[in-house]
Amino acid sequence: RKEVEQDPGPFNVPEGATVAFNCTYSNSASQSFFWYRQDCRKEPKLLMSVYSSGNEDGRFTAQLNRASQYISLLIRDSKLSDSATYLCVVNKGAAGNKLTFGGGTRVLVKP
Amino acid sequence: DVKVTQSSRYLVKRTGEKVFLECVQDMDHENMFWYRQDPGLGLRLIYFSYDVKMKEKGDIPEGYSVSREKKERFSLILESASTNQTSMYLCASSSGGNQETQYFGPGTRLLVL
Repeated sequence: RKEVEQDPGPFNVPEGATVAFNCTYSNSASQSFFWYRQDCRKEPKLLMSVYSSGNEDGRFTAQLNRASQYISLLIRDSKLSDSATYLCVVNKGAAGNKLTFGGGTRVLVKP
Repeated sequence: DVKVTQSSRYLVKRTGEKVFLECVQDMDHENMFWYRQDPGLGLRLIYFSYDVKMKEKGDIPEGYSVSREKKERFSLILESASTNQTSMYLCASSSGGNQETQYFGPGTRLLVL
């Protein structure tokens, strides 16, 4: 079983719609969670951290469910520029500050 | 603004060649990382370093070595390149105070023939 699993997609989303997707992680000792965004043929960039209480950054909302060991990302009012691969990232908990990356969920926003 | 640069965007090498991938960051970060990214496998950590001359193995260190002689520079070395090392290689750095926000370089796409 992979340490961090994501639905690879693609999620085809009409412009203006809402899209949500999850990521599951296997290491219950993980303490920190993130969503990174990666555009085609570009490097990953931090989109947002994910906090226990859930957090919002503009049109993006992230949630953490420790009991079920998953995190989610919701994008409201999707823009064409939101088309990208979204990487779920989890730290390795007691093993140190190394990060484990999921394979990514591809989102395609269409007019 | 953090800047991480990698010496080459594209590289073509032959099996058995020694390959050097260079990474430089300009933000005085303590931590530096080398990953490879392959379709369906995501990013996998090869090696990382928390300080000058310090290195630790990541999840897939076999066939690779690293060097960190200066704080700003972290080199990945393929001692004898093989075709299964064809991949996208990404370097990242992070500060000691916030180790988990990693900033990535643009990547080097390596093809081993």
